[in-house]
Amino acid sequence: GAVVSQHPSWVICKSGTSVKIECRSLDFQATTMFWYRQFPKQSLMLMATSNEGSKATYEQGVEKDKFLINHASLTLSTLTVTSAHPEDSSFYICSAPKDPRSYTEAFFGQGTRLTVV
Amino acid sequence: DAKTTQPPSMDCAEGRAANLPCNHSTISGNEYVYWYRQIHSQGPQYIIHGLKNNETNEMASLIITEDRKSSTLILPHATLRDTAVYYCTLYNFNKFYFGSGTKLNVKP
Repeated sequence: GAVVSQHPSWVICKSGTSVKIECRSLDFQATTMFWYRQFPKQSLMLMATSNEGSKATYEQGVEKDKFLINHASLTLSTLTVTSAHPEDSSFYICSAPKDPRSYTEAFFGQGTRLTVV
Repeated sequence: DAKTTQPPSMDCAEGRAANLPCNHSTISGNEYVYWYRQIHSQGPQYIIHGLKNNETNEMASLIITEDRKSSTLILPHATLRDTAVYYCTLYNFNKFYFGSGTKLNVKP
C-alpha cells in the first residue's frame, strides 16, 4: 500500500531555534498534504492544508508565520516550526490522500515528536 | 470542529467482538464515515470507510444507520494488539476532523 514517511521521528531543540519536519509520499504523488498536531492524551488537530505549487491554507487559530509550510514538489511537504518555544512541544503528523479527487483512504506518516527545551 | 462523538473508553474481552459506536448527527450528504486507530505515539492507521452501505474488510465491519446519523465499528475477534484509540471521523473535500476517539482496552 501507499506509504507516507516523516522525518525526523523525534527531535529535541533549544528554545528560539527553528525545526524543519519533512513529509514524503513514497509511491504516489500527493498534490495535497495535511499537517496535524497532537498534544498528549488529546486528539489530532488539523493545522493546515499544504498544496503543491501554492500557498498553504491554515486552520483558524494557527499562526502561519510560526508554522511555515512548503510543498515544492508532488512528493514532499515540509513544516518548519520557527522560533520554537516549549509550548510548541507536540506530536506532529502529516497525511496525504492518494487521490484527492475521490474518496479513498488518506495515509498518515508515523509522526514527529518535537520537544523544545 | 469535530463533528463526531464517541465514548471515551470501552473494555472488551480478548476473542470477543468489539463494537465501537459513533454519533455523527450533523453529517452531510457527501461526507464519508472513516475509522482510524492510533496506537501510542504512532500515526493513525486506516481501518475502513463507508458512505451509506455497510462495509466489511479483513480488519473490521462498518455498520451505518439508514439515516446516517450514527455508525458502529465492529472488530469481530478482538486481540490484545487491537488495544488503541479508535477515531471515527468524517471526510469531505479531503479533510479529516478528528473527534476525541474511544480508547479500546482489550483484556485477556
